[in-house]
Amino acid sequence: NAGVTQTPKFQVLKTGQSMTLQCAQDMNHEYMSWYRQDPGMGLRLIHYSVGAGITDQGEVPNGYNVSRSTTEDFPLRLLSAAPSQTSVYFCASISFRGSTDTQYFGPGTRLTVL
Amino acid sequence: AQTVTQSQPEMSVQEAETVTLSCTYDTSESDYYLFWYKQPPSRQMILVIRQEAYKQQNATENRFSVNFQKAAKSFSLKISDSQLGDAAMYFCAYSPMRGGADGLTFGKGTHLIIQP
Repeated sequence: NAGVTQTPKFQVLKTGQSMTLQCAQDMNHEYMSWYRQDPGMGLRLIHYSVGAGITDQGEVPNGYNVSRSTTEDFPLRLLSAAPSQTSVYFCASISFRGSTDTQYFGPGTRLTVL
Repeated sequence: AQTVTQSQPEMSVQEAETVTLSCTYDTSESDYYLFWYKQPPSRQMILVIRQEAYKQQNATENRFSVNFQKAAKSFSLKISDSQLGDAAMYFCAYSPMRGGADGLTFGKGTHLIIQP
């Protein structure tokens, strides 16, 4: 298994541009989520999904859209990038196997908005 | 809303010694899940240990153990026999659902320095 993959690893945007951060997992996990991490802060939840076709907002959803058309993919869209969206973005998926559960994080995407 | 507080922005410990990282949280739920994550300079988030609130026994994972005090809403992480590879940011996290299925609430983190 490749685990949770994120592309790109780095991205620079200009204010007002749009882009999509990609997230994919090959572990057949139902639950996926997006977080952002700002300097001196822990991760904050942007959006999450409990399965294909089902998404919900987290703590900081403004300026971001998500969709979940397949179990494997959970892209995050920035419609009109703003400097306040400069951050490191993490995607995660959750495995529920037997009595244990594990949240797997991707390697992150560092986004800079100029 | 739930909050997670880590009051130690930075901690330093000598290699081979024991260090305890503090975490407190606020919730009105009776059932919930607590986690400690490690983030080394590579940025990868690594689960260190988890605790289910309904379990009275403190979780342990090799050199890592927790002191879970439900009434005090406290969840500290003890690292025994500290190693250089333990140097990282450590985040405490809370979720009302198993595995953090509806998202985790994180503290701001503690930067752990290991002195050789």
